[in-house]
Amino acid sequence: QSVLTQPPSASGTPGQRVTISCSGSSSNIGSSAVNWYQQLPGAAPKLLMYSNNWRPSGVPDRFSGSKSGASASLAISGLQSEDEADYYCTAWDDRMNGWVFGGGTKLTVL
Amino acid sequence: EVQLLESGGGLVQPGGSLKLSCAASGFTFNSVAMSWVRQAPGKGLQWVSTINNSGGTTFYTDSVKGRFTVSRDSSKNTLYLQMNSLRVEDTAVYYCAKYAGGGGWSLIYFDYWGQGAQVTVSS
Repeated sequence: QSVLTQPPSASGTPGQRVTISCSGSSSNIGSSAVNWYQQLPGAAPKLLMYSNNWRPSGVPDRFSGSKSGASASLAISGLQSEDEADYYCTAWDDRMNGWVFGGGTKLTVL
Repeated sequence: EVQLLESGGGLVQPGGSLKLSCAASGFTFNSVAMSWVRQAPGKGLQWVSTINNSGGTTFYTDSVKGRFTVSRDSSKNTLYLQMNSLRVEDTAVYYCAKYAGGGGWSLIYFDYWGQGAQVTVSS
């Protein structure tokens, strides 16, 4: 049972827009920045979004992030086949004194 | 170019010990905090431990407290994870990750990850 709650799966067709949610509490998302990671099959995680809505260099602007209260979301527009991966949200948790992750969302491009 | 290279993984019996290493290059190692994150087979990511840039502050997830010890050697640009009293449920790929950002623990994030080291605990 993960501290942050994500839907286990999401899907869309090429060109569509999909959104992945991440729900937490006042001790984590409600008081910390949210970061997102993309994990392609068989690979290490890669930073996709940091500080709620900032993209690292090299990440397409098709990816965007937002946060409101104790929830956050990752949006992917213009879906492409190479976006098929697992996506994880994470944040610092004041109560646990450590980082917590969502359970991950497997994105399928139909 | 930032590189993080884990080593030291392997097969160990329950109750045994293993020490992971993460050789870092491409950045000023003694200026950044580092972490270990693991992923059990077919499961999601789980944060394991963090050490600040000087090594004076460490954090652990509850399930490894008292069994795992994180440390770093700035002269060797290497991060370590000493794992004792290993359990079957510790079986996972262990990633080392470096932090970026500033302003406190709640604002920093893992910006680079190694390729991982497989740890299997089984009799």
